[in-house]
Amino acid sequence: EVQLVESGGGLVQPGGSLRLSCEASGFSFNSLSMTWVRQAPEKGLEWVATITPDGNVKYYEDSVRGRFTISRDNARNSLYLQMNSLRAEDTAVYYCTREAGSIDYWGQGTLITVSS
Amino acid sequence: QAGLTQPPSVSKGLRQTATLTCTGNSNNVGNQGAAWLQQHQGHPPKLLSYKNDDRPSGISDRFSASRSGNTASLTITGLQPEDEADYYCSSWDNSLSGWVFGGGTKLTVL
Repeated sequence: EVQLVESGGGLVQPGGSLRLSCEASGFSFNSLSMTWVRQAPEKGLEWVATITPDGNVKYYEDSVRGRFTISRDNARNSLYLQMNSLRAEDTAVYYCTREAGSIDYWGQGTLITVSS
Repeated sequence: QAGLTQPPSVSKGLRQTATLTCTGNSNNVGNQGAAWLQQHQGHPPKLLSYKNDDRPSGISDRFSASRSGNTASLTITGLQPEDEADYYCSSWDNSLSGWVFGGGTKLTVL
């Protein structure tokens, strides 16, 4: 059974940093691209970042490029999102997802609240 | 970033058929196809169909997807109360080198 479990969410002040983690199980983690998607309160889904299976290629949504860094540790079956210079508009539930042609499996999400 | 276009809401009666649409362009839906996701309040999205219109195992055959040009469609037959949810489409955009989502359609089953 595919499982994606996020952790690391919480309340952070504007300008602060946070690191999200996602532990994957139930599939060959090192063979699939992984993606972070976020959803602001009462809003739709927004792509954040994607990383290829070997970690060598990374793609970012424009508003997070330069502030967020996606990474992975295939030995630990883990995906990460380092978030710096956080803004109020980054407040959202962040989902860890995997790609198998489409974004098919989603974690339960972790809430990030950026507020003073 | 440009996203995919979905109608904000659709209302249909119990046991009726609903067709939801998702319009993109030749860089995303027209080239890559679109996947469909269902999200109930307070829960993560669930994949209903892959971008090639195949259904994951366990998804009811009441859900079927199709595509014509830059527009993808999700048809839900025999509407049930549990079908009331938000529905999103997604596609990879070759021009943006990123995933794009529709704004979501809230389906109400009357």
